Amino acid sequence: AQSVTQLGSHVSVSEGALVLLRCNYSSSVPPYLFWYVQYPNQGLQLLLKYTTGATLVKGINGFEAEFKKSETSFHLTKPSAHMSDAAEYFCAVSVGFQKLVFGTGTRLLVSP
Amino acid sequence: GAVVSQHPSWVICKSGTSVKIECRSLDFQATTMFWYRQFPKQSLMLMATSNEGSKATYEQGVEKDKFLINHASLTLSTLTVTSAHPEDSSFYICSAPSPGPRGGELFFGEGSRLTVL
Repeated sequence: AQSVTQLGSHVSVSEGALVLLRCNYSSSVPPYLFWYVQYPNQGLQLLLKYTTGATLVKGINGFEAEFKKSETSFHLTKPSAHMSDAAEYFCAVSVGFQKLVFGTGTRLLVSP
Repeated sequence: GAVVSQHPSWVICKSGTSVKIECRSLDFQATTMFWYRQFPKQSLMLMATSNEGSKATYEQGVEKDKFLINHASLTLSTLTVTSAHPEDSSFYICSAPSPGPRGGELFFGEGSRLTVL
């Protein structure tokens, strides 16, 4: 069965610092992987996705993620954090036609 | 662009009453919609898949009689929490596949926060 593991329920960075949110997946088939962001009391917004092709995927708001099959990882990065990046981030894997299994989420805290 | 809208955003009800949450796809048709439940500070758990014109498909452990799902049209799915109890209090989120190829984006609604007193 497909699953994802997000390491770290909370990540704190200073504004301008590198953001690294970790996600490892388990899948018996070539995975489709996603990162979503959730702001308080709101639904989820897609940041980026990997389906096939280029393993480095660029998303919105300056985020990117790299699919590494050998490491079964799909970590999310951003070179320079902004205060507005503070939110909950979810990694997800597709388990069937457009059905997703989500990780437990990582709350990103950005300090001035 | 394509948007999914939920209503209501917030609802407070008394224990034993039923609450209906609507999920609409705006500007596109969705033969399938997904209903998720999110507990505080936890991830989203898929509850069921709503299928237009047929019965919903529930995930293991989800009570079909408590969480009634109806997908009456290509743009509307409803989730009714019947005889609600405090333990049903949660954040309910729906999603619909974008009108694109497999692996395409899922659009999520804004979520509906249910509080049962």
